[in-house]
Amino acid sequence: QKEVEQNSGPLSVPEGAIASLNCTYSDRGSQSFFWYRQYSGKSPELIMSIYSNGDKEDGRFTAQLNKASQYVSLLIRDSQPSDSATYLCAVNVFTGGGNKLTFGTGTQLKVEL
Amino acid sequence: NAGVTQTPKFRILKIGQSMTLQCTQDMNHNYMYWYRQDPGMGLKLIYYSVGAGITDKGEVPNGYNVSRSTTEDFPLRLELAAPSQTSVYFCASSYTDTSYNEQFFGPGTRLTVL
Repeated sequence: QKEVEQNSGPLSVPEGAIASLNCTYSDRGSQSFFWYRQYSGKSPELIMSIYSNGDKEDGRFTAQLNKASQYVSLLIRDSQPSDSATYLCAVNVFTGGGNKLTFGTGTQLKVEL
Repeated sequence: NAGVTQTPKFRILKIGQSMTLQCTQDMNHNYMYWYRQDPGMGLKLIYYSVGAGITDKGEVPNGYNVSRSTTEDFPLRLELAAPSQTSVYFCASSYTDTSYNEQFFGPGTRLTVL
């Protein structure tokens, strides 16, 4: 079982719609969760972090965390063509060497005009 | 602040050659990381450092070496390059290595080994 799983997509949504990106993880002890946006040929950019159950909103982005279900999601409201990118879910995992981020393979989002 | 910078942006190596990928951060972060990203795959941790003089292996360290002589710099050395090392390499840094370790990435180095 992969430690962090994401649907690879592509997820296509029309401009102005809500995009919903999902991520599941296997380590019940994980405490911190991050969403990175990666444009083609560019580096990952941190857009959201969430540490406790519930919702966290930042502008058009809302991260949702449910530790009991081991599930974290990212909602993008009023999707714009500029949101077209790959979204990486990252989960903090504590190992013998300390805290490390484990990344999912990403979901490709396409926002269509 | 420039953040995390990496050089070179692109490089083509022949099998068996060696090279050093440079990484510098100006955020005074103690923690630095090297990842590789292959097409359709997630980021894989190669090596990390918790401060000057302290480094440790990540998930995929074979074929690589690192050193950390200053807080700012964390170079990655490839010895005897192989086609399997064709990838995009990202350096990242964070202020802490607790569970709240928000990591910030450099622009990446695209390496091809032929």
